[in-house]
Amino acid sequence: GAGVSQSPSNKVTEKGKDVELRCDPISGHTALYWYRQRLGQGLEFLIYFQGNSAPDKSGLPSDRFSAERTGESVSTLTIQRTQQEDSAVYLCASSLEGSGRYEQYFGPGTRLTVT
Amino acid sequence: AQKVTQAQTEISVVEKEDVTLDCVYETRDTTYYLFWYKQPPSGELVFLIRRNSFDEQNEISGRYSWNFQKSTSSFNFTITASQVVDSAVYFCALSSSSGSARQLTFGSGTQLTVLP
Repeated sequence: GAGVSQSPSNKVTEKGKDVELRCDPISGHTALYWYRQRLGQGLEFLIYFQGNSAPDKSGLPSDRFSAERTGESVSTLTIQRTQQEDSAVYLCASSLEGSGRYEQYFGPGTRLTVT
Repeated sequence: AQKVTQAQTEISVVEKEDVTLDCVYETRDTTYYLFWYKQPPSGELVFLIRRNSFDEQNEISGRYSWNFQKSTSSFNFTITASQVVDSAVYFCALSSSSGSARQLTFGSGTQLTVLP
C-alpha cells in the first residue's frame, strides 16, 4: 500500500520568502505529525493533528510556522519569511491514531534550503 | 518532560561482529511506548519495533534483538552478525498517552558504520 508522501522533495528558497510543504498521510491514519531534522541531529517535534481535535502546536519554534490539515487527509506546513536557520529536512509522519501507542510511519521528507 | 539519551554518537564495527546500541529514557508516565527507527543514507526513517511499558519480554527478529529493562530505564538494541547494509543512523524514541507526550521524543541517534 502507499506510504506517507511529501512534496516537494527539495526546496531552495531565498531568505524572506514563504514556503509551503505538503504531506499526504497513509489512508485511514487519523494522526499526523510534523518534525524537523537539522543536519546531523535528531528529530524535533513541530505539530500534531488528531482527527477533528485542535492541533497540538507546542513544538512550533515561532509564529512564522503554521500548519493546516483538511479532515483526516492532506496537511500543509507553511513557513513565512524564511530564515537561514529554517534550513532542515521537514518530515511528516502518520499513525493509526494519536494515543501515542502506535508507531508512526514517516515520509521521505522535504529538504529545505534557505539561501 | 520526557527524554531519550543515546550516549553512543558513532560506532564502527567490522562485518559479522555483534553490536549493541544503547538507549536510556526518562518519563513520569506509568504507561509509555518505546520505539526504534533506522535512517539509512537515503534518509527515510524506517520503523523497526515498538514496545509497551507493561511488556518487558525481550524480542528477537532475525538478526535483531531488543532488551527492555524497566528497572534501569533502558531499551537496548543488538544486531547480531552485522552486515554492511546495517550501516545507518539508529534512533530510539519514546511516547506516552498523556497530553503533549503523544508525539515521539527522539534520542540524538547513533551512527553505525559496518565495515566490509
